[in-house]
Amino acid sequence: NAGVTQTPKFQVLKTGQSMTLQCAQDMNHNSMYWYRQDPGMGLRLIYYSASEGTTDKGEVPNGYNVSRLNKREFSLRLESAAPSQTSVYFCASSRGWGGPGLNEKLFFGSGTQLSVL
Amino acid sequence: GDSVTQMEGPVTLSEEAFLTINCTYTATGYPSLFWYVQYPGEGLQLLLKATKADDKGSNKGFEATYRKETTSFHLEKGSVQVSDSAVYFCALSKTSYDKVIFGPGTSLSVIP
Repeated sequence: NAGVTQTPKFQVLKTGQSMTLQCAQDMNHNSMYWYRQDPGMGLRLIYYSASEGTTDKGEVPNGYNVSRLNKREFSLRLESAAPSQTSVYFCASSRGWGGPGLNEKLFFGSGTQLSVL
Repeated sequence: GDSVTQMEGPVTLSEEAFLTINCTYTATGYPSLFWYVQYPGEGLQLLLKATKADDKGSNKGFEATYRKETTSFHLEKGSVQVSDSAVYFCALSKTSYDKVIFGPGTSLSVIP
């Protein structure tokens, strides 16, 4: 009954370092998403994958790259971390292709708290 | 573009008080509306939803009615508990080709 699993839960980076956030879902969902959560701004979509083998930019993609490794896994990479990327990152998934649409819900992981010094 | 606006928090209430968290939206077409809740240290989870005008979503004592004439989806609960302390997000979604749009969230603290 794992749902959406994210690793790590916490990370501290220095400016310029790189890292990859991992996400896996065990619900056989088609769509996966990466959001960042900042105070007063809610959740903003970074990248999404509407189906295995496809990825697209969301609202705030600059400074990030993603890989949809297979149907289960969707990773987010920071190539050269900046203090502006200090945030809480959430991975999510939904069953349909492209997005949850009118009737489905998003399933979220528990988040990664990232600090860039 | 489409957007969701929520009342600013934080909101602090005493146990058993009545809760209202306001949410209004701007969207073309006929979106579905959602309330998600984020408990401390956890990811968001769906609380309730409504898919068309005048629908009422309800769950765990929370209710919200989809009002197209006022483009609103206010969250209400008659008697809050300490365990309701969380951040509440209003959101909208349209077709499968559109992404979910979240409001900024409203933090609720319930004190005994």
